[in-house]
Amino acid sequence: NAGVTQTPKFRVLKTGQSMTLLCAQDMNHEYMYWYRQDPGMGLRLIHYSVGEGTTAKGEVPDGYNVSRLKKQNFLLGLESAAPSQTSVYFCASRRGGMNTGELFFGEGSRLTVL
Amino acid sequence: ELKVEQNPLFLSMQEGKNYTIYCNYSTTSDRLYWYRQDPGKSLESLFVLLSNGAVKQEGRLMASLDTKARLSTLHITAAVHDLSATYFCAVDSQGGSEKLVFGKGMKLTVNP
Repeated sequence: NAGVTQTPKFRVLKTGQSMTLLCAQDMNHEYMYWYRQDPGMGLRLIHYSVGEGTTAKGEVPDGYNVSRLKKQNFLLGLESAAPSQTSVYFCASRRGGMNTGELFFGEGSRLTVL
Repeated sequence: ELKVEQNPLFLSMQEGKNYTIYCNYSTTSDRLYWYRQDPGKSLESLFVLLSNGAVKQEGRLMASLDTKARLSTLHITAAVHDLSATYFCAVDSQGGSEKLVFGKGMKLTVNP
């Protein structure tokens, strides 16, 4: 099983450019998440989704947009990248409803904004 | 707002020694998770603790949950170099299981 797959793994952007990170999971999970990880800050939740067609803001949503058009995919967009968005981004998924369990993570996407 | 604190954030210890690390959280929850992250890698699930008094063990690591004290511990027994990693605890937010809030992580270095 592939689990949670993120693309691309690495990307360098110039300030003001836009890009989309794609997350795909093959576990039929209801809930999907985007986190960013910065040194000394742990993981901070950007946006999440509890089902196809739904999205919600997390702790640090500014500058990002998301979409969940299909259950298995969760896209994270940066419309106008800023150096402060240089980070490692992790997508994760988990079961929904009463039986939510641990998160399953993708391998991460390292983004550098110059 | 749920806050999760880990203590200590950095730990350097000798092989063969024992140590306990702590994860405190600020609001009621009965679901706590421990993850491990190796440098440059993703997060790997270690333990899922779903009720008060839950105890899980895997090799040299043992995790427990006290929901009344809002505290989880991760005990390391006879540390070995392979345990060197960053350990995160995460807690489900109150009122539902939609959001997981992470602590800042504890970087463990085990020296020969």
